[in-house]
Amino acid sequence: RKEVEQDPGPFNVPEGATVAFNCTYSNSASQSFFWYRQDCRKEPKLLMSVYSSGNEDGRFTAQLNRASQYISLLIRDSKLSDSATYLCVVIRRSNDYKLSFGAGTTVTVRA
Amino acid sequence: DVKVTQSSRYLVKRTGEKVFLECVQDMDHENMFWYRQDPGLGLRLIYFSYDVKMKEKGDIPEGYSVSREKKERFSLILESASTNQTSMYLCASSLLDRGREQYFGPGTRLTVT
Repeated sequence: RKEVEQDPGPFNVPEGATVAFNCTYSNSASQSFFWYRQDCRKEPKLLMSVYSSGNEDGRFTAQLNRASQYISLLIRDSKLSDSATYLCVVIRRSNDYKLSFGAGTTVTVRA
Repeated sequence: DVKVTQSSRYLVKRTGEKVFLECVQDMDHENMFWYRQDPGLGLRLIYFSYDVKMKEKGDIPEGYSVSREKKERFSLILESASTNQTSMYLCASSLLDRGREQYFGPGTRLTVT
């Protein structure tokens, strides 16, 4: 089983819509969680960290569900500029260090 | 402004050649990483380094080696390139706490023919 799994999509949504997707992780000892954004033919860039209590950054909301072992990202009032691939990152830093990227979820926002 | 640079954006090499990919960061970061990114597989960690001359294997180190002689520079070496190493290679750096944000370079698209 993969350490981190994402629905590849694509999620095609109209401008102004809300879109949400998850990232599941297999190891319950995972400790740090992030969402990165990657535009076509560009490098990944940090979108936001994911905190245990959930957190918002403008139109973006990230949540962590430890019991079910997934993180989620919700985008409200989608803009054309939100079109990108969203990568989740899960880090485990207990006895060993393990960093895993998901393969990404593609979101396309249409006018 | 933080910056991670990679020596080439595009590289074409022949099977069996020795290939050097260079990465330089100007943020005084302790950690540096090399990934490859392939469609459907996402980013996979090849090697990382948390200090000069220190290195640790990632998930797919076979066929690769690395060198970190200076804090700002991390090199990925393909000793004998093979066609299955055709990929996008991304370098990243971060502060010592490995749970911190990673900053990525623009990537090198390597094609091995």
